Amino acid sequence: DQQVKQNSPSLSVQEGRISILNCDYTNSMFDYFLWYKKYPAEGPTFLISISSIKDKNEDGRFTVFLNKSAKHLSLHIVPSQPGDSAVYFCAASAKFWARSNYKLTFGKGTLLTVNP
Amino acid sequence: DVKVTQSSRYLVKRTGEKVFLECVQDMDHENMFWYRQDPGLGLRLIYFSYDVKMKEKGDIPEGYSVSREKKERFSLILESASTNQTSMYLCASSPGQSPGTQYFGPGTRLTVL
Repeated sequence: DQQVKQNSPSLSVQEGRISILNCDYTNSMFDYFLWYKKYPAEGPTFLISISSIKDKNEDGRFTVFLNKSAKHLSLHIVPSQPGDSAVYFCAASAKFWARSNYKLTFGKGTLLTVNP
Repeated sequence: DVKVTQSSRYLVKRTGEKVFLECVQDMDHENMFWYRQDPGLGLRLIYFSYDVKMKEKGDIPEGYSVSREKKERFSLILESASTNQTSMYLCASSPGQSPGTQYFGPGTRLTVL
């Protein structure tokens, strides 16, 4: 059972426009969410996170929105740049599970392509 | 900066061989993780460790074992490699009591022939 879902395997946008990557989750125990970015042949790098006590977190061109009632989060990249082309993984963690607060559950990823 | 290193970037082994993948982190993190990444399947957790000599199974532990004798080092062992273990293997670490942010190594692309 997939607890974190990224339903779009790929997304293509023009340079300078907004990229919106979506993620849905099913487990109501998740209370911390992260986005990772991964280039080919490299490990994922942490991008931005959000706690369930917030509905928005912003870091430069990257903003994550959380809608707890819909169990949905999204990553907005504005403006998109060709260097943003990568696979983006959504991940979730449950803070108060015994030991499981150390674990992340990842989605399958979305390949973002930003065209010049 | 957190640094997580993995012993090899590329590895080619034969079916039935015993394979060791090593991971070292330099930030004194309590938690360490092994994942594999396959196209269309995302990152799947194999094993993790929250302390020296402690380990817990992840989602796909079959065919793998791990060892953590020192805090900074976490090894993944394929006792008898099979072709379906051809994959990208990623190691990560995180501080204790962290809500979840993990720091990844560059990955090892393992091919089992």
